[in-house]
Amino acid sequence: GAVVSQHPSWVICKSGTSVKIECRSLDFQATTMFWYRQFPKQSLMLMATSNEGSKATYEQGVEKDKFLINHASLTLSTLTVTSAHPEDSSFYICSARLAGGRNTGELFFGEGSRLTVL
Amino acid sequence: SQELEQSPQSLIVQEGKNLTINCTSSKTLYGLYWYKQKYGEGLIFLMMLQKGGEEKSHEKITAKLDEKKQQSSLHITASQPSHAGIYLCGADISGNTGKLIFGQGTTLQVKP
Repeated sequence: GAVVSQHPSWVICKSGTSVKIECRSLDFQATTMFWYRQFPKQSLMLMATSNEGSKATYEQGVEKDKFLINHASLTLSTLTVTSAHPEDSSFYICSARLAGGRNTGELFFGEGSRLTVL
Repeated sequence: SQELEQSPQSLIVQEGKNLTINCTSSKTLYGLYWYKQKYGEGLIFLMMLQKGGEEKSHEKITAKLDEKKQQSSLHITASQPSHAGIYLCGADISGNTGKLIFGQGTTLQVKP
């Protein structure tokens, strides 16, 4: 399957600081990427859709000014958690959609990034 | 999500036994995705189903989507310890947008 990579895998930061997480599609181009959040022992919740060259669209209840998304190229989307607080501590995971070809529509996920805010 | 029910929540089977995990949606599925996750790690893509009645297999894992496109099952034949993990079904109910809602997951343990 296609490969999606996230960086960093884990990050610890102080309350009030900002943290940037990268999501890259390594062997395909993705015009659309998605960002999810997963709390311990819970399933994934969609946060936003990242569109290359345009503004991200956010799910209800997700603060767009707190979770800044930039999709500057066809292989990279970034999620910046601004002024992070302990309640933002979570596992953030991205997905990218394969467009075109025999397996078009398949969605591949990154390894996830665990954020701990002290 | 209440729109997507996954069952059972947990499963313990003896190595070599078959098992089935179900995923039921209250809405039409434009795409149904099966993933495997180890706790705290990324999701490993297993299969995507889009057409009513579709069935796909990979090694010892078979996934089916019913004709009405509201229910899917994942079947593992002759389970092995390597099959242990958390299985998640993700459903695209928003018109093939790629936005998924997920079931609560099924934790599978395989006893050697």
